Amino acid sequence: EIVLTQSPGTLSLSPGETATLYCRASQTVRSRYLAWYQQKPGQAPRVLIYGTSTRAAGVPDRFTGSGSETDFTLAISRMEPEDFALYFCQQYATASRTFGQGTKVEIK
Amino acid sequence: QVHLQESGPGLVKPSQTLSLTCNVSGDSINSGLYYWNWIRQPAGKGLEWIGRVYGSGRTDYNPSVKSRVTVLLDKSQSQFSLRLTSVTAADSGVYFCARDRVSGSPFEYWGHGTLVTVSS
Repeated sequence: EIVLTQSPGTLSLSPGETATLYCRASQTVRSRYLAWYQQKPGQAPRVLIYGTSTRAAGVPDRFTGSGSETDFTLAISRMEPEDFALYFCQQYATASRTFGQGTKVEIK
Repeated sequence: QVHLQESGPGLVKPSQTLSLTCNVSGDSINSGLYYWNWIRQPAGKGLEWIGRVYGSGRTDYNPSVKSRVTVLLDKSQSQFSLRLTSVTAADSGVYFCARDRVSGSPFEYWGHGTLVTVSS
């Protein structure tokens, strides 16, 4: 099973700042099989990025995914109030899908 | 537009069986193009993929629950189900159904989730 470890656990920022979230895999994940989700309280997760760097439909261009092999990054520039949420990475390279434990981005 | 909706008891007693159903509309559950998945989230925690079923009825499960879980497809009702036996408090949480593609994709469509509490 591929274990995904996200850091930091919590990120405290002010609106307008840039958030950088990390996702490290226990083994190489082919880049087309890595996604990022955003989740707000009481809601299902929403896919933001897939294939490491492709934004899903309707996702603003301030969300940028990058990385390769075992290290992946989600950057959120010019944080808007609606961006403060929980973020997860997920791999879909193997039959047993796995998620990172999440990074909470909170208002400072 | 694809819509998934979970249903089932919100309270299950310890050692009993948790049973949930996901109703699918706006898409053909018979299609061999998609996986139909169950994912759960304990309160205040992260997401755990439980298992999936394809159009053929074939299944894959998370090794951590494999001995206790069954996911079944009911094509006549356009729904799929989750059965988890011998539950404990650790099985409490929000259960989501979701769809992804056999060709490789993230979970594109999700239900709203249903809260299940394991308690006597």
